[in-house]
Amino acid sequence: AQSVTQLGSHVSVSEGALVLLRCNYSSSVPPYLFWYVQYPNQGLQLLLKYTTGATLVKGINGFEAEFKKSETSFHLTKPSAHMSDAAEYFCAVSGSGSNYQLIWGAGTKLIIKP
Amino acid sequence: ETGVTQTPRHLVMGMTNKKSLKCEQHLGHNAMYWYKQSAKKPLELMFVYSLEERVENNSVPSRFSPECPNSSHLFLHLHTLQPEDSALYLCASSPPGSYYGYTFGSGTRLTVV
Repeated sequence: AQSVTQLGSHVSVSEGALVLLRCNYSSSVPPYLFWYVQYPNQGLQLLLKYTTGATLVKGINGFEAEFKKSETSFHLTKPSAHMSDAAEYFCAVSGSGSNYQLIWGAGTKLIIKP
Repeated sequence: ETGVTQTPRHLVMGMTNKKSLKCEQHLGHNAMYWYKQSAKKPLELMFVYSLEERVENNSVPSRFSPECPNSSHLFLHLHTLQPEDSALYLCASSPPGSYYGYTFGSGTRLTVV
């Protein structure tokens, strides 16, 4: 069965520091991979996605992620954290058994220290 | 505004009430979804509609009843809910297939008392 693992339910970084949120997946087929962000009392917003082609994907708000097939990883990074980045981040992979379903990680809450 | 609108934003209901959640999108998407988001739990897919037909139903209790009258509107009818049904209910839409990812609404925060 497919699965998505996000390491760390909470990650705390100082403002201006590097943000690294980890996502590993298991999939028997080439995956489509997604990162979403959820601000308090809001729905989820697509940050970026990998489907095919270039393995380094750039998204909104200065985030990027790199698809590494050999490591089955899709980690999210941002060079310099801002206070406005405080939110919960979800990694997801397309479900091989369904044309519609995404398999979701449990989420990582990003805390920014002043 | 994401293009997917959910109403109401907040709902408090008693266990014997009947209420409905509404979702509307004008993005031209063909698929619509209901998700449940509870504290400390992964996102749970409840229902999927494609071209107004239900294509997935993930073992959701019958006290939740979806309705998709057209490709722009999706409802979730609620009756005789339990306190453990309190959660954020998220609607999403997409073109057919998971390749594109979803566009989510802002959710309805439901509290069952």
